Amino acid sequence: SQQGEEDPQALSIQEGENATMNCSYKTSINNLQWYRQNSGRGLVHLILIRSNEREKHSGRLRVTLDTSKKSSSLLITASRAADTASYFCATPAWDSGYALNFGKGTSLLVTP
Amino acid sequence: DTGVSQDPRHKITKRGQNVTFRCDPISEHNRLYWYRQTLGQGPEFLTYFQNEAQLEKSRLLSDRFSAERPKGSFSTLEIQRTEQGDSAMYLCASSKITDTQYFGPGTRLTVL
Repeated sequence: SQQGEEDPQALSIQEGENATMNCSYKTSINNLQWYRQNSGRGLVHLILIRSNEREKHSGRLRVTLDTSKKSSSLLITASRAADTASYFCATPAWDSGYALNFGKGTSLLVTP
Repeated sequence: DTGVSQDPRHKITKRGQNVTFRCDPISEHNRLYWYRQTLGQGPEFLTYFQNEAQLEKSRLLSDRFSAERPKGSFSTLEIQRTEQGDSAMYLCASSKITDTQYFGPGTRLTVL
């Protein structure tokens, strides 16, 4: 089952601009993760935010988590063409040994 | 630190044939997960192992799918009597108990 839903489905920006994508989920979680996937390749882990955290930074990435609204956002600042990829949020599936439930992802295109 | 590896990277087969994919996890990771990803969707959890024990297999798509992890090291995913609907990317991930999951590059299966 896919619990997380990313929004927007697709986003097109120019290099140097910021990109914001959102994720909503349905059930209580103890952490939320963001992954990046370049075309036709495996997923790369970007960042994990725990339920007792509201904001976390990693390089040009900023992730927020609002457990009351069951939502998270990923902000990529000063985007580069190399950031072109699909971005997925993932939440733990408690009933499946902490397997991850993924949304459909946001497809980000960064043009020079 | 070598990452998760998968073999083969691509597999083309005819409908009705059996296929087997291999995953080698990060060496100190005792959990191993299999996911399937179809075009435009996020990964969908199939099964997972803790060491050599397969602790969740109810999400396997049909009885044509089976997975093993002998000796708690590498794992194999077999699909018997393949169907065109099995065409997808098959992803393997590994982790310590409830830590971040690290994904391999995937095996892309095409069933003709």
